[in-house]
Amino acid sequence: QQQVKQSPQSLIVQKGGISIINCAYENTAFDYFPWYQQFPGKGPALLIAIRPDVSEKKEGRFTISFNKSAKQFSLHIMDSQPGDSATYFCAARSQDYKLSFGAGTTVTVRA
Amino acid sequence: ETGVTQTPRHLVMGMTNKKSLKCEQHLGHNAMYWYKQSAKKPLELMFVYNFKEQTENNSVPSRFSPECPNSSHLFLHLHTLQPEDSALYLCASSQDVFSGGALHFGNGTRLTVT
Repeated sequence: QQQVKQSPQSLIVQKGGISIINCAYENTAFDYFPWYQQFPGKGPALLIAIRPDVSEKKEGRFTISFNKSAKQFSLHIMDSQPGDSATYFCAARSQDYKLSFGAGTTVTVRA
Repeated sequence: ETGVTQTPRHLVMGMTNKKSLKCEQHLGHNAMYWYKQSAKKPLELMFVYNFKEQTENNSVPSRFSPECPNSSHLFLHLHTLQPEDSALYLCASSQDVFSGGALHFGNGTRLTVT
Protein backbone atom coordinates (compact mmCIF):
# COMPACT_ATOMS: atom_id res chain seq x y z
CA GLN A 1 0.00 0.00 0.00
CA GLN A 2 1.47 3.27 -1.09
CA GLN A 3 1.48 5.64 1.85
CA VAL A 4 2.25 8.79 -0.13
CA LYS A 5 0.52 9.44 -3.44
CA GLN A 6 2.19 11.92 -5.78
CA SER A 7 0.86 13.62 -8.89
CA PRO A 8 1.32 14.33 -11.70
CA GLN A 9 3.74 11.69 -12.95
CA SER A 10 5.28 14.26 -15.28
CA LEU A 11 4.82 17.86 -16.28
CA ILE A 12 6.17 20.28 -18.83
CA VAL A 13 6.41 23.98 -18.07
CA GLN A 14 7.75 26.95 -19.98
CA LYS A 15 10.73 28.84 -18.65
CA GLY A 16 9.49 31.38 -16.15
CA GLY A 17 6.34 29.41 -15.38
CA ILE A 18 5.19 27.77 -12.15
CA SER A 19 5.55 24.03 -11.58
CA ILE A 20 3.20 22.48 -9.03
CA ILE A 21 3.53 18.96 -7.65
CA ASN A 22 1.01 17.52 -5.23
CA CYS A 23 1.23 14.81 -2.61
CA ALA A 24 -1.38 13.23 -0.37
CA TYR A 25 -1.01 10.96 2.64
CA GLU A 26 -3.20 9.03 5.05
CA ASN A 27 -1.04 8.48 8.13
CA THR A 28 -1.68 11.38 10.49
CA ALA A 29 1.35 10.33 12.54
CA PHE A 30 3.77 11.52 9.83
CA ASP A 31 5.87 14.28 11.38
CA TYR A 32 8.25 15.53 8.70
CA PHE A 33 7.73 16.09 4.99
CA PRO A 34 10.84 16.50 2.80
CA TRP A 35 11.14 16.94 -0.92
CA TYR A 36 14.02 15.45 -2.86
CA GLN A 37 15.35 16.49 -6.27
CA GLN A 38 17.05 13.98 -8.54
CA PHE A 39 18.96 14.75 -11.73
CA PRO A 40 19.67 12.01 -14.30
CA GLY A 41 22.59 9.85 -13.23
CA LYS A 42 22.59 11.29 -9.71
CA GLY A 43 21.11 10.29 -6.40
CA PRO A 44 18.23 12.24 -4.84
CA ALA A 45 19.21 15.34 -2.88
CA LEU A 46 17.22 16.98 -0.11
CA LEU A 47 15.65 20.15 -1.51
CA ILE A 48 13.32 21.53 1.14
CA ALA A 49 11.29 20.14 4.05
CA ILE A 50 8.42 21.13 6.30
CA ARG A 51 6.93 20.07 9.62
CA PRO A 52 3.14 19.74 10.05
CA ASP A 53 2.86 22.69 12.43
CA VAL A 54 3.78 25.06 9.59
CA SER A 55 1.52 25.83 6.62
CA GLU A 56 4.14 27.15 4.25
CA LYS A 57 7.90 27.19 3.85
CA LYS A 58 9.82 29.06 1.20
CA GLU A 59 13.44 28.71 0.13
CA GLY A 60 14.33 30.80 -2.87
CA ARG A 61 12.07 29.82 -5.77
CA PHE A 62 10.85 26.66 -4.01
CA THR A 63 7.81 26.73 -1.70
CA ILE A 64 6.08 23.93 0.18
CA SER A 65 2.41 24.43 1.01
CA PHE A 66 1.03 22.14 3.70
CA ASN A 67 -2.64 21.46 4.44
CA LYS A 68 -2.84 19.33 7.55
CA SER A 69 -6.62 18.94 7.58
CA ALA A 70 -6.66 17.77 3.98
CA LYS A 71 -3.52 15.65 4.48
CA GLN A 72 -1.96 17.18 1.41
CA PHE A 73 1.21 19.05 0.65
CA SER A 74 2.62 20.50 -2.51
CA LEU A 75 5.82 21.86 -4.01
CA HIS A 76 5.70 25.05 -6.06
CA ILE A 77 8.65 25.97 -8.25
CA MET A 78 8.36 29.63 -9.15
CA ASP A 79 10.04 31.16 -12.21
CA SER A 80 10.99 27.65 -13.41
CA GLN A 81 14.38 27.41 -15.12
CA PRO A 82 15.81 24.76 -17.47
CA GLY A 83 18.20 23.80 -14.67
CA ASP A 84 15.17 22.79 -12.58
CA SER A 85 14.45 19.93 -15.00
CA ALA A 86 14.66 16.88 -12.75
CA THR A 87 12.57 14.30 -10.96
CA TYR A 88 11.05 15.43 -7.69
CA PHE A 89 10.03 13.09 -4.88
CA CYS A 90 7.86 13.98 -1.93
CA ALA A 91 8.25 11.94 1.24
CA ALA A 92 6.82 11.62 4.71
CA ARG A 93 8.52 10.42 7.88
CA SER A 94 6.71 8.13 10.28
CA GLN A 95 7.18 7.83 14.03
CA ASP A 96 9.77 5.07 13.53
CA TYR A 97 11.81 7.64 11.57
CA LYS A 98 11.40 5.85 8.24
CA LEU A 99 10.58 7.72 5.05
CA SER A 100 7.75 6.80 2.69
CA PHE A 101 8.34 8.23 -0.76
CA GLY A 102 6.00 9.23 -3.54
CA ALA A 103 6.54 7.75 -6.99
CA GLY A 104 8.14 10.90 -8.35
CA THR A 105 7.31 13.68 -10.82
CA THR A 106 9.52 14.37 -13.80
CA VAL A 107 9.61 18.10 -14.49
CA THR A 108 10.76 19.39 -17.85
CA VAL A 109 11.29 23.12 -18.23
CA ARG A 110 11.25 24.29 -21.86
CA ALA A 111 13.40 27.27 -22.73
CA GLU B 1 36.30 12.85 -1.37
CA THR B 2 33.16 14.15 0.21
CA GLY B 3 29.61 12.89 0.44
CA VAL B 4 28.45 9.38 -0.29
CA THR B 5 30.33 7.32 -2.88
CA GLN B 6 29.01 4.15 -4.46
CA THR B 7 30.89 1.64 -6.58
CA PRO B 8 30.55 0.31 -9.14
CA ARG B 9 28.31 2.74 -11.04
CA HIS B 10 27.09 0.01 -13.35
CA LEU B 11 26.96 -3.75 -12.89
CA VAL B 12 25.73 -6.49 -15.19
CA MET B 13 25.51 -9.94 -13.69
CA GLY B 14 24.06 -13.30 -14.51
CA MET B 15 21.58 -14.99 -12.22
CA THR B 16 24.20 -17.38 -10.89
CA ASN B 17 26.86 -14.76 -10.16
CA LYS B 18 27.91 -13.33 -6.82
CA LYS B 19 28.79 -9.66 -6.65
CA SER B 20 28.94 -6.90 -4.07
CA LEU B 21 27.99 -3.24 -4.07
CA LYS B 22 30.06 -0.85 -2.00
CA CYS B 23 29.13 2.40 -0.31
CA GLU B 24 31.37 4.80 1.59
CA GLN B 25 30.36 8.01 3.32
CA HIS B 26 32.68 10.82 4.34
CA LEU B 27 30.11 12.83 6.31
CA GLY B 28 30.73 11.44 9.78
CA HIS B 29 27.23 10.00 9.85
CA ASN B 30 26.17 7.06 11.97
CA ALA B 31 23.21 5.68 10.01
CA MET B 32 23.40 4.10 6.57
CA TYR B 33 20.68 2.81 4.30
CA TRP B 34 20.12 0.75 1.17
CA TYR B 35 17.25 1.75 -1.11
CA LYS B 36 16.00 0.18 -4.35
CA GLN B 37 14.81 2.55 -7.07
CA SER B 38 12.71 1.19 -9.93
CA ALA B 39 11.22 3.31 -12.70
CA LYS B 40 7.94 5.05 -11.85
CA LYS B 41 7.87 3.53 -8.36
CA PRO B 42 8.58 4.99 -4.93
CA LEU B 43 12.00 4.38 -3.44
CA GLU B 44 11.92 1.15 -1.46
CA LEU B 45 13.79 0.98 1.81
CA MET B 46 15.75 -2.26 2.06
CA PHE B 47 18.08 -2.07 5.07
CA VAL B 48 19.02 0.35 7.80
CA TYR B 49 22.12 0.37 9.98
CA ASN B 50 22.55 2.63 13.00
CA PHE B 51 25.99 2.70 14.62
CA LYS B 52 26.86 -0.49 12.67
CA GLU B 53 23.85 -2.39 13.98
CA GLN B 54 21.13 -3.46 11.58
CA THR B 55 17.87 -1.89 12.70
CA GLU B 56 15.69 -2.62 9.68
CA ASN B 57 15.29 -5.41 7.17
CA ASN B 58 12.28 -4.48 5.11
CA SER B 59 11.30 -8.03 4.15
CA VAL B 60 14.13 -8.20 1.65
CA PRO B 61 14.81 -11.61 0.02
CA SER B 62 17.84 -13.43 1.40
CA ARG B 63 19.59 -13.19 -1.97
CA PHE B 64 20.45 -9.65 -0.79
CA SER B 65 22.82 -9.66 2.16
CA PRO B 66 24.01 -6.39 3.75
CA GLU B 67 27.20 -5.83 5.70
CA CYS B 68 28.25 -2.79 7.72
CA PRO B 69 31.79 -3.20 9.07
CA ASN B 70 31.91 0.37 10.41
CA SER B 71 29.86 3.55 10.31
CA SER B 72 31.53 4.72 7.11
CA HIS B 73 31.16 1.62 4.96
CA LEU B 74 28.18 -0.39 3.77
CA PHE B 75 28.07 -3.33 1.42
CA LEU B 76 25.29 -5.17 -0.34
CA HIS B 77 26.21 -8.72 -1.29
CA LEU B 78 24.24 -10.16 -4.16
CA HIS B 79 23.77 -13.80 -5.15
CA THR B 80 21.35 -15.80 -7.26
CA LEU B 81 19.49 -12.68 -8.34
CA GLN B 82 16.41 -12.57 -10.55
CA PRO B 83 15.82 -10.34 -13.58
CA GLU B 84 13.23 -8.37 -11.56
CA ASP B 85 16.05 -7.31 -9.25
CA SER B 86 17.38 -5.07 -12.02
CA ALA B 87 17.16 -1.53 -10.65
CA LEU B 88 19.16 1.40 -9.33
CA TYR B 89 20.47 0.65 -5.85
CA LEU B 90 21.01 3.73 -3.75
CA CYS B 91 23.02 4.06 -0.58
CA ALA B 92 22.22 6.88 1.82
CA SER B 93 23.43 8.15 5.16
CA SER B 94 22.12 10.40 7.92
CA GLN B 95 23.47 11.68 11.21
CA ASP B 96 21.57 8.86 12.91
CA VAL B 97 18.23 7.11 12.36
CA PHE B 98 16.46 9.91 14.24
CA SER B 99 17.58 12.23 11.43
CA GLY B 100 16.09 9.78 8.95
CA GLY B 101 14.26 12.46 7.04
CA ALA B 102 17.43 14.23 5.99
CA LEU B 103 19.20 11.64 3.90
CA HIS B 104 22.35 12.08 1.85
CA PHE B 105 22.29 9.77 -1.16
CA GLY B 106 25.04 8.41 -3.33
CA ASN B 107 24.66 8.31 -7.10
CA GLY B 108 23.67 4.68 -7.10
CA THR B 109 24.69 1.45 -8.77
CA ARG B 110 22.69 0.57 -11.88
CA LEU B 111 22.26 -3.21 -11.67
CA THR B 112 21.19 -5.32 -14.61
CA VAL B 113 20.50 -9.03 -14.06
CA THR B 114 20.59 -11.11 -17.21
